[in-house]
Amino acid sequence: KAGVTQTPRYLIKTRGQQVTLSCSPISGHRSVSWYQQTPGQGLQFLFEYFSETQRNKGNFPGRFSGRQFSNSRSEMNVSTLELGDSALYLCASSLVGSRNSPLHFGNGTRLTVT
Amino acid sequence: AQTVTQSQPEMSVQEAETVTLSCTYDTSENNYYLFWYKQPPSRQMILVIRQEAYKQQNATENRFSVNFQKAAKSFSLKISDSQLGDTAMYFCAFDIQGAQKLVFGQGTRLTINP
Repeated sequence: KAGVTQTPRYLIKTRGQQVTLSCSPISGHRSVSWYQQTPGQGLQFLFEYFSETQRNKGNFPGRFSGRQFSNSRSEMNVSTLELGDSALYLCASSLVGSRNSPLHFGNGTRLTVT
Repeated sequence: AQTVTQSQPEMSVQEAETVTLSCTYDTSENNYYLFWYKQPPSRQMILVIRQEAYKQQNATENRFSVNFQKAAKSFSLKISDSQLGDTAMYFCAFDIQGAQKLVFGQGTRLTINP
């Protein structure tokens, strides 16, 4: 069974641009979560989608947005990039989005903003 | 606010030794889940072990076990017979809702030396 797939693995963007990251969950998984990992702030929750609906959102500005498609694949978008957005963005999926379903993480997308 | 604290930024032990990683958390909730994840250089977060707060029995997964002290809000991870492949960043995490909105600690970098 294929794991969580994130594309691209690496991305370099310029300040002010926008970026879209993609996440394909494990087959059958309907919940997709996104996390930002930086050396300074550590791992921080961005948002979680279940059946195309955002169920939870972390404390990030509106420049960070996401969506989930009917096949459970998810994208996150960051507009007007800032230098501080440079981070590893991790996507995780779970079977039914409950406490009984552990998260399975992808390898992440390393975003560098110059 | 819920917080997770890992007081050991780095640890280093010899192969085959036993090592314990510390984690404390703060919450006013009574029902929650606690997790230990490892992140090797490949960047993928891998679930090591999880504990339901309502269970008094400590969780065990092969060489990995936890010491869960609910009153003290402590959740330490013990790795027995450590192996070179255990070298990784280890994150303690807390589930504050049922929808995978994890709060992570800052991590402990564990090195297993040959």
